[in-house]
Amino acid sequence: QSVLTQPPSVSGAPGQRVTISCTGSSSNIGAGYDVHWYQQLPGTAPKLLIYANTNRPSRVPDRFSGSKSGTSASLAITGLQAEDEADYYCQSYDSSLSGHVVFGGGTKLTVL
Amino acid sequence: EVQLVESGGGLVQPGGSLRLSCEASGFTFSSYEMNWVRQAPGMGLEWVSYISSSGSTIHYADSVKGRFTISRDNAKNSLYLQMNSLRAEDTAVYYCARDWIGDGMDVWGQGTTVTVSS
Repeated sequence: QSVLTQPPSVSGAPGQRVTISCTGSSSNIGAGYDVHWYQQLPGTAPKLLIYANTNRPSRVPDRFSGSKSGTSASLAITGLQAEDEADYYCQSYDSSLSGHVVFGGGTKLTVL
Repeated sequence: EVQLVESGGGLVQPGGSLRLSCEASGFTFSSYEMNWVRQAPGMGLEWVSYISSSGSTIHYADSVKGRFTISRDNAKNSLYLQMNSLRAEDTAVYYCARDWIGDGMDVWGQGTTVTVSS
């Protein structure tokens, strides 16, 4: 059970907008630690999707965006495409945990 | 091309040991902090260990503390994970990942599979 809570699954039709939440607490996101997001396509290694809450690496389409407020963060995907079907993980840091690095439990995105 | 390539995975009996390696290329390895992250079958990502660029600072997840040892050889552009007293729950794909100056893990290897079973 991770200290960062994500919904197990979300779904949307092509072209739609979906959001994935990442809920933490005062010892992690609420303490001001940055949130990063990763995309893991089936059978592949994770890839950095959003870093430092809102920033996209240059190779990531602007359909992907991140936000953070209080003890939560969100990943939004607009103009949903079939190739977006993947697992998505948030990652932050928690002052109460050894080593501090923590991942959310992951969210499976299904494109209908 | 920036690349990380893991090796050393395999089948090991409970209580056994295994040493994973991660070879870096395409970037100045000695300038970057590194992590090991694992993923059990059908499960999510779990951070395992961190090492600073010089090797002077090391952190472990509670689940592996006292059993796993992270190290690096900057002259060989290589990261290691020595895993002792292995348990069934250590079965996972193990990834090495470059730490992007606190802005997440921006480069990942393809992973190496560790199976702990009798």
